Amino acid sequence: DQQVKQNSPSLSVQEGRISILNCDYTNSMFDYFLWYKKYPAEGPTFLISISSIKDKNEDGRFTVFLNKSAKHLSLHIVPSQPGDSAVYFCAATEDNYGQNFVFGPGTRLSVLP
Amino acid sequence: NAGVTQTPKFQVLKTGQSMTLQCAQDMNHEYMSWYRQDPGMGLRLIHYSVGAGITDQGEVPNGYNVSRSTTEDFPLRLLSAAPSQTSVYFCASSPGTGNYGYTFGSGTRLTVV
Repeated sequence: DQQVKQNSPSLSVQEGRISILNCDYTNSMFDYFLWYKKYPAEGPTFLISISSIKDKNEDGRFTVFLNKSAKHLSLHIVPSQPGDSAVYFCAATEDNYGQNFVFGPGTRLSVLP
Repeated sequence: NAGVTQTPKFQVLKTGQSMTLQCAQDMNHEYMSWYRQDPGMGLRLIHYSVGAGITDQGEVPNGYNVSRSTTEDFPLRLLSAAPSQTSVYFCASSPGTGNYGYTFGSGTRLTVV
């Protein structure tokens, strides 16, 4: 049973609009969450993170929101650009050393010009 | 700055053959990990290391061995390849406690026939 779920395998958004990628988790012990972005034939690249003591973290066009009571986090990209087209993975850990991350299956985002 | 380097990029093995996937990083990172990516399943942790001489099992360790004799290198050995090990393998590293953003290599696509 997957502990980290990304229920939308794909998402299409018009350039300039907001992209919202969702992630749900089942393990209440998870206390640190990351988003990674992956282009074809490349390794994932770290995008943004959030710890459980916060409910929001912003970095430029990217904002991650965490709702611990709902075990839900989301990544907002505003405004979306064609270069944002990629697969986005949500990851979570309860490990103090940050090694045992559990990844979701990914959501493929397509930003249409 | 090379980051995390994985070799080879592609490999085809016959069932029962053994091989080693190489991973090297030049960032003096303490933590290194191996993940496999399969369709619809995200990235799953195979083995990880918190420093030279120290390794531990992740979620899917069966059929794989690792060692960490130096800070820079973290090879992954397939003992007797099976078709179920057909996957894309990613090596990752991070500086350590307090910084959870992994740097990933570009991956090795392995096919076992």
